[in-house]
Amino acid sequence: EAQVTQNPRYLITVTGKKLTVTCSQNMNHEYMSWYRQDPGLGLRQIYYSMNVEVTDKGDVPEGYKVSRKEKRNFPLILESPSPNQTSLYFCASSSVSGGNIQYFGAGTRLSVL
Amino acid sequence: GDSVTQMEGPVTLSEEAFLTINCTYTATGYPSLFWYVQYPGEGLQLLLKATKADDKGSNKGFEATYRKETTSFHLEKGSVQVSDSAVYFCALSLRFSGGYNKLIFGAGTRLAVHP
Repeated sequence: EAQVTQNPRYLITVTGKKLTVTCSQNMNHEYMSWYRQDPGLGLRQIYYSMNVEVTDKGDVPEGYKVSRKEKRNFPLILESPSPNQTSLYFCASSSVSGGNIQYFGAGTRLSVL
Repeated sequence: GDSVTQMEGPVTLSEEAFLTINCTYTATGYPSLFWYVQYPGEGLQLLLKATKADDKGSNKGFEATYRKETTSFHLEKGSVQVSDSAVYFCALSLRFSGGYNKLIFGAGTRLAVHP
């Protein structure tokens, strides 16, 4: 089954404790993105990647890091989480030939205390 | 800059009522337009799309027409069901160099349908 898998689905942590949210896709897509969803703001792009070892900032990259060492994986790293990073996070992937359609994971709800 | 504006929710309807969710956009060039739906506890999934002016996207009884003259892409359904209760996002797609297409989302509109 074609899917984008995020883990964990729920995470509660404390300020300053490094964490990683994993994202994996099994569709051989070139493009992958991370978004955060906040009430009244919709989804905002954090980082995106056009292929292995090619990443770039989105609209709200501060406080986040990403890496793309393999085509299928695109982890999101919070080196020193802060309460303003409490949000719902989505990973998405799409292909060069896919007609602009992005496929989303089920989301990771993060609370930073 | 490029942006999408949706009507604020929540929208509360009785089953079999007519649905309209308004969406307007601002963009340079000619973006593709999308409606995504998010059911409770799930990620977003594509509902319908339109790639050029006057195109009509349709799926599961939902429709939206790409109106360049009014920069709009309003979502409609003739008869909603309880199972349509979800959050609906309007989005536009911008093409970057290298072929990547970035999505810009509206704030989302929550729809609640009661029996």
